[in-house]
Amino acid sequence: GAGVSQSPRYKVAKRGQDVALRCDPISGHVSLFWYQQALGQGPEFLTYFQNEAQLDKSGLPSDRFFAERPEGSVSTLKIQRTQQEDSAVYLCASKGTGGRYEQYFGPGTRLTVT
Amino acid sequence: AQSVTQLGSHVSVSEGALVLLRCNYSSSVPPYLFWYVQYPNQGLQLLLKYTTGATLVKGINGFEAEFKKSETSFHLTKPSAHMSDAAEYFCAGGSQGNLIFGKGTKLSVKP
Repeated sequence: GAGVSQSPRYKVAKRGQDVALRCDPISGHVSLFWYQQALGQGPEFLTYFQNEAQLDKSGLPSDRFFAERPEGSVSTLKIQRTQQEDSAVYLCASKGTGGRYEQYFGPGTRLTVT
Repeated sequence: AQSVTQLGSHVSVSEGALVLLRCNYSSSVPPYLFWYVQYPNQGLQLLLKYTTGATLVKGINGFEAEFKKSETSFHLTKPSAHMSDAAEYFCAGGSQGNLIFGKGTKLSVKP
């Protein structure tokens, strides 16, 4: 079946603009994760959903970052009033159930704030 | 604190040579361990995983890794490198929740 998809793949925003990044997980996957990957670094956890419930948002760097998954499928990561330090690749991953621990990643959205 | 450490940010091998990428994890990291590969401008692709059972796990593209609890290590190996193996490799640990990643090791393969 189809993998995790993300859109847009690339986004350029002027400092202060709001952006919305979309993630379509693998069909049937109840768990969805967002990660931020700075240049030359490993991904860092932002937030985690199980169905529509946001179970962990401890990784969100500030209150400018907000994520939602209203119907337990598609998720949107919103960044308000973008800053230059928000420039990174934002990765979405989904995970199935039944004792399967591996996460499947989308291609990412590269955000550049100018 | 939970952490995953990858020794060597850049490893260079000749084509046909052994590939060894090192990963150590802190004892507080859940003992479910993964190696992912990332090609330029792409997401992460799962190479292999250890959850329970056999400590030597085989993955795709001829890679394997051995979980050694006493050494808190999960090193990735491949007997013979191919040019197509050039990429960035990430070790990660986790279970039900989020994954904790190392900083990555960029593998270069010389002809």
